Amino acid sequence: TQLLEQSPQFLSIQEGENLTVYCNSSSVFSSLQWYRQEPGEGPVLLVTVVTGGEVKKLKRLTFQFGDARKDSSLHITAAQTGDTGLYLCAGLVDYGQNFVFGPGTRLSVLP
Amino acid sequence: GAVVSQHPSRVICKSGTSVKIECRSLDFQATTMFWYRQFPKQSLMLMATSNEGSKATYEQGVEKDKFLINHASLTLSTLTVTSAHPEDSSFYICSARAGRGREQYFGPGTRLTVT
Repeated sequence: TQLLEQSPQFLSIQEGENLTVYCNSSSVFSSLQWYRQEPGEGPVLLVTVVTGGEVKKLKRLTFQFGDARKDSSLHITAAQTGDTGLYLCAGLVDYGQNFVFGPGTRLSVLP
Repeated sequence: GAVVSQHPSRVICKSGTSVKIECRSLDFQATTMFWYRQFPKQSLMLMATSNEGSKATYEQGVEKDKFLINHASLTLSTLTVTSAHPEDSSFYICSARAGRGREQYFGPGTRLTVT
């Protein structure tokens, strides 16, 4: 069983649309990160959230950490083709050693 | 953000040979480095965690004698795939972090093809 679940697994939308992807767990995380990975490249860190209820914005991307620090969402406004990629969330359980990665949401933004 | 490099970016080797992949943190000292494997259209699978100067901790199901990891300095870790087989063909990615609970920064990955 995955410690972290991500939904949807796949998402294909038209340029200009809005979308939200989710990262859920039954575990409490002391820290949670979102990454984007493009084909043939390593993941690139987008944001780190550490406080329950925290909201961070990165241009058209809005990240929210759940109040109980068990879940997170990523909302993209007016998606662009350059947003296409694999979005991964990763959580650090109880100030542990390693981040645990979710299975990812594969986003395709069509022109 | 911090920069992590990997070398080589692509390698093709023959079955039975060994291949070494290097991972370097370029602008910070990495107390811990991680090695992942990724199959097409799948997420990252953690293979092992290495702390500088100590033996690597391997995840269940990962053969430590096949995937040799050395973390000899605070800026360099190497993964050696020994006696490679075609099923070892994959995308190998390393990451590094400066301290416990700190952000992980990923390298660009190495595409290994075993013929």
